[in-house]
Amino acid sequence: DAGVIQSPRHEVTEMGQEVTLRCKPISGHNSLFWYRQTMMRGLELLIYFNNNVPIDDSGMPEDRFSAKMPNASFSTLKIQPSEPRDSAVYFCASSLWGRNEQFFGPGTRLTVL
Amino acid sequence: GESVGLHLPTLSVQEGDNSIINCAYSNSASDYFIWYKQESGKGPQFIIDIRSNMDKRQGQRVTVLLNKTVKHLSLQIAATQPGDSAVYFCADSGGGADGLTFGKGTHLIIQP
Repeated sequence: DAGVIQSPRHEVTEMGQEVTLRCKPISGHNSLFWYRQTMMRGLELLIYFNNNVPIDDSGMPEDRFSAKMPNASFSTLKIQPSEPRDSAVYFCASSLWGRNEQFFGPGTRLTVL
Repeated sequence: GESVGLHLPTLSVQEGDNSIINCAYSNSASDYFIWYKQESGKGPQFIIDIRSNMDKRQGQRVTVLLNKTVKHLSLQIAATQPGDSAVYFCADSGGGADGLTFGKGTHLIIQP
């Protein structure tokens, strides 16, 4: 199994630009999670989906952030417009619904200049 | 919301020694706890988990202890190896398929 796949691995953009992060969960997993990691705040849950439906988006910092899961094998996290304080590593994780063990992808390192 | 926190940001141990990483949690409703290992440039990797109806669980070279009375969780690593060097996170969940609440992490350094 390829594990959770994220793209791009690195993204450098300028303030004000739109950023789209992508995630492909492990095949068969029906829960998907987006996390953000910074030195100051550690790992924070942004949003998660069960069976493609957003369940809890209370961790999404602002309206500039949005996430979608159009099908069971793909999810996006979009930031528009991006700001320097959005610079972080964004992780996607997936699990089987009802199972707590989450499998993390390699992350996308985002730098907003 | 409530969060899980770690006591020590850095722990340095000699290769071959046992290490203990501690974690305090505040959410009394949490019923599932998990330890992750994160190496530089990689995503967190599952180590071991435990449910609130257990006090102890053992894996290969790792043991997790849960003390619900004082809301304390620990990870014991036996006979540490250079490959154990990483940041270790504890996390908790209310169960089901909820998202995890992570602590800040402890950086474990293995000295030769």
